[in-house]
Amino acid sequence: DTEVTQTPKHLVMGMTNKKSLKCEQHMGHRAMYWYKQKAKKPPELMFVYSYEKLSINESVPSRFSPECPNSSLLNLHLHALQPEDSALYLCASSQGQGAGDTQYFGPGTRLTVL
Amino acid sequence: GESVGLHLPTLSVQEGDNSIINCAYSNSASDYFIWYKQESGKGPQFIIDIRSNMDKRQGQRVTVLLNKTVKHLSLQIAATQPGDSAVYFCAEYWMNRDDKIIFGKGTRLHILP
Repeated sequence: DTEVTQTPKHLVMGMTNKKSLKCEQHMGHRAMYWYKQKAKKPPELMFVYSYEKLSINESVPSRFSPECPNSSLLNLHLHALQPEDSALYLCASSQGQGAGDTQYFGPGTRLTVL
Repeated sequence: GESVGLHLPTLSVQEGDNSIINCAYSNSASDYFIWYKQESGKGPQFIIDIRSNMDKRQGQRVTVLLNKTVKHLSLQIAATQPGDSAVYFCAEYWMNRDDKIIFGKGTRLHILP
């Protein structure tokens, strides 16, 4: 099973709302990632968790707050977002702690900020 | 800027023909390359990868070729089918960089009936 699941599939929120994106994998992977993808562009890395610890933050604004409650779950908490934050948010996981291991992506959450 | 690039943004191929998607990279230290397929409305799907100590790797209907002399990577899809319509991204990784893969800009593969 090489499945990464993400909920919700679609999310519409106002700029004053607080919402969370969820990601789950049951492959025993120890690294999990959040990416942001704008239309017709490649995914851009946001955060990396390795063994449940935040290892990379790509200078992401604080209105995005990641959380890794356990080795299978990854959340992205959203607060006071801007319309330009509208994008497809992708979660991925890989077996080890290095990006040199194959990353498996979830289907993404399509976020629209009004 | 990104060191991974693609020669063509869109590739149109007749159904049944072979497709070749190209990718150029600039970092000779890259030691791992991956091809992803992304269909509309979905996340990237791993297709095949290759380490820098290899020149060729084959999967089911797909072959990746790595030419380190000219820093070129290609993905060959045999007998292209309508289900192959997608955007294809190459990505590279090297050990000494920040621990992340770098995606190329992507090529859209369009299948002609």
